[in-house]
Amino acid sequence: SQTIHQWPATLVQPVGSPLSLECTVEGTSNPNLYWYRQAAGRGLQLLFYSVGIGQISSEVPQNLSASRPQDRQFILSSKKLLLSDSGFYLCAWSRNTEAFFGQGTRLTVV
Amino acid sequence: QKEVEQDPGPLSVPEGAIVSLNCTYSNSAFQYFMWYRQYSRKGPELLMYTYSSGNKEDGRFTAQVDKSSKYISLFIRDSQPSDSATYLCAIQGAQKLVFGQGTRLTINP
Repeated sequence: SQTIHQWPATLVQPVGSPLSLECTVEGTSNPNLYWYRQAAGRGLQLLFYSVGIGQISSEVPQNLSASRPQDRQFILSSKKLLLSDSGFYLCAWSRNTEAFFGQGTRLTVV
Repeated sequence: QKEVEQDPGPLSVPEGAIVSLNCTYSNSAFQYFMWYRQYSRKGPELLMYTYSSGNKEDGRFTAQVDKSSKYISLFIRDSQPSDSATYLCAIQGAQKLVFGQGTRLTINP
C-alpha cells in the first residue's frame, strides 16, 4: 500500500531564517506531487506541483521554491522566511485521479 | 475568476438532517472530482471520487456531478455529530489538482 510521510509536524522559525520541509512517498512510482498551504480557516492554496524528477510547476509567485531530487521525494524550501509564510503546509501525491495527503507541517514564523 | 468556488459556510444543522455541500468550477477540461473531509489540524482525507456526470453513493454519502453546469455536490444523509468537519471539493485535470475553499460543517446533537 502507498504511504506518504511529511515532516516535521510542527516548526517555529524566526523571520529571515531558511526553511526545508520534506515529503516522501512509498509504494508507488512516478507520482504527481503537490505542495499546498492552508491559512487558518481557509482552503488549500496550490503552491507547486511536479509530474516528474526535476519538473516543478509554480502556481503562486513568492519566496518559496520546490525541488524533486528523486522520484518520490518533494522538498519545499525558502532562503528567508517572512511572517506571512506562517501556515499549515500539506504535501500530497496522486496518479492523475484521487490524491492522498500527508499529515501536514504547521509552520509558525516569529 | 477562481477555478473552483465553494461556499465557506459555516453550516450548522441538527443531527439527522440531510446536508448539501456544493462547488462550481470554471474549466471544462477538469476530469476528476473529489470530496475530502478535514478535521482540525489534520491532513484532508478522501471521502469520494468520481469522474463522470451522475451520482455515486457510498453509505450515507452521495456525490453528484453535473458537467454541463460545472457543478458538483456532496449529500450527507442522517448526519451525525462525528460528521462535523471541514469539507473540501477538489477537481483534477492535466496533473493539476485544485481545491475549493472548504465548508465548515457542524452537526448539533
